[in-house]
Amino acid sequence: EPEVTQTPSHQVTQMGQEVILRCVPISNHLYFYWYRQILGQKVEFLVSFYNNEISEKSEIFDDQFSVERPDGSNFTLKIRSTKLEDSAMYFCASNLDRGHQPQHFGDGTRLSIL
Amino acid sequence: AQSVSQHNHHVILSEAASLELGCNYSYGGTVNLFWYVQYPGQHLQLLLKYFSGDPLVKGIKGFEAEFIKSKFSFNLRKPSVQWSDTAEYFCAVNLKTSYDKVIFGPGTSLSVIP
Repeated sequence: EPEVTQTPSHQVTQMGQEVILRCVPISNHLYFYWYRQILGQKVEFLVSFYNNEISEKSEIFDDQFSVERPDGSNFTLKIRSTKLEDSAMYFCASNLDRGHQPQHFGDGTRLSIL
Repeated sequence: AQSVSQHNHHVILSEAASLELGCNYSYGGTVNLFWYVQYPGQHLQLLLKYFSGDPLVKGIKGFEAEFIKSKFSFNLRKPSVQWSDTAEYFCAVNLKTSYDKVIFGPGTSLSVIP
């Protein structure tokens, strides 16, 4: 079964540095998402992306965050100037038909900000 | 604001015991409903989903869930748990007016004792 893949599995970054988390969605999927899970808390929606633009974003997704689909396969989340509170597990997801199919999630990238 | 609640933070069962994990959501409109499972060190996997039709849905690994619209509930059940069911279980809701955003519950940690 095709999977969503995320790299790296663990990213350690100094506070204030930029970080890019990478995702390869399932190849024929059209809708792409980022979620995060702070340790001990629930999974939270960050942003959705369709047709090369953001379709919805949460209040968490402020100006420090951006997403991009630089080519036909990758979907990236960039945090421009990381803060300690950005430490979390970040999950990428993709979907073929958002109204009738569930989202498929990747393994996640654990981001640790020092 | 829409939210999803799960009745138990941590459940401990012996093998062969029956399982029921409660889930309620607070939204009056039409929803899609999901249960995801996260085994230790692994990604979120879909256990089962409800989009429409028969409110009793069967998923993988012997799990089932019943959607009771009048109670805004979507409880997960399994008649006989195994040690391998030890995992974190997340109830989630996808609003039909906002297909992109999946709202997760806080999760229930299930520990099955051999």
